Formats: sequence, C-alpha cells, structure tokens
Amino acid sequence: KQEVTQIPAALSVPEGENLVLNCSFTDSAIYNLQWFRQDPGKGLTSLLLIQSSQREQTSGRLNASLDKSSGRSTLYIAASQPGDSATYLCAVGYNQGGKLIFGQGTELSVKP
Amino acid sequence: SAVISQKPSRDICQRGTSLTIQCQVDSQVTMMFWYRQQPGQSLTLIATANQGSEATYESGFVIDKFPISRPNLTFSTLTVSNMSPEDSSIYLCSVGGKTGEAFFGQGTRLTVV
Repeated sequence: KQEVTQIPAALSVPEGENLVLNCSFTDSAIYNLQWFRQDPGKGLTSLLLIQSSQREQTSGRLNASLDKSSGRSTLYIAASQPGDSATYLCAVGYNQGGKLIFGQGTELSVKP
Repeated sequence: SAVISQKPSRDICQRGTSLTIQCQVDSQVTMMFWYRQQPGQSLTLIATANQGSEATYESGFVIDKFPISRPNLTFSTLTVSNMSPEDSSIYLCSVGGKTGEAFFGQGTRLTVV
C-alpha cells in the first residue's frame, strides 16, 4: 500500500530558526513529489515540485530534497518568520495524471 | 500554472439535503480530481473525473453518494448527496499541469447540521 508519513505532526519554533520537515513514502517508484502550504480553512498553495529525476528544488528560503532510494524528502525552511505559520503537506504522485497521495501534514507555528 | 475557481466557498446545510460544488479551470485539462479533507485530517482522493466518461472512484467512495459531472474540459461538479454531519469537510478540486504539478482550488467548507 502506498503511504506517505510526515514527521513531526506539529512544530513550534522561535522566529529566525532554521527548520526541517520530514516526509517518507513507502513506494519509491514515484513520478514526483510536491510540498504544499495550507493556511487554516483554506486551500493548498504549491511550494515546490520535485520530479523523480531531481535531487532538490529551491525557492527563496525554501529548499526541498528528494532521496528516492530511501523513500524520503525534506523541506528546509531558512530564517523562519511568523508568516510561515501554516500546515505543510507532502504529496507523492505515482504517474503523470496528477493524482496525489498526501501525508498527514506538519503544523508549524513560528513565534515572534 | 492553472487557476481554479470553486463555488461555493462555504455552506451550512441541513442533514438529508444535497449540495453541488462547482469547479472551473482557466485552461483545458484532461483530468480533474476531487479531494475531501475531514476536520484535522489530510486530503483523501474521492474520484478522478475525465471528460466524456464516468468518474473513477477511490475505495470507500461511491457514485450514489458523490455523483460527479464533467461536461467539458474546463468544468466539473461534485454533489454530496443525502448529507449527514459526518460529511462536514473541506472539498477541494485539483488539476494537473503539464509538468505534473498539481494545482488546487480554494476549497469548499461544508458544515452539515
């Protein structure tokens, strides 16, 4: 069964800290992996997309890595800000169609 | 990228009634996806909607409860039928881009009382 797990479930840090969110998946034959941000009661905002042939992607203060062989991805957030507070979701795609399997998310709180 | 509009953004409905959620995309797409996010949970795929054919439902979801229409390449609807409080969730529409990136609408927050 294809499953995606995120650790930790919740994280609280002071402003300015660098932090790492973890995502693991049971079936390593992925097509791509995507990180999303979700604010309370809202839809999903795409942060980074990593294709199966790639090792990492960067956007501003965000860096996502992918290790297919070990079934893991990490999202690194540098110099965290209160505005980064949200739930971060990892989702794995196994074909080009766009269907995704989601992790449970990490709820991040950045304190001023 | 794709811009997705969902209507309504939220609704409060009586149990036993039905609600139809609309999803409009700004470009033609082959497949559209409907997800459910129950309170405090992550997203679960309900079904995949292809234009011109019946939707494909995931395990645990049936057409009688969640009928889907896909009349053209830019539009789809999801109906939540005979609602109960357990159907209170956020329902999200999604499409895939050319690079495989998934895009989501802002969701429909449904409360059943």
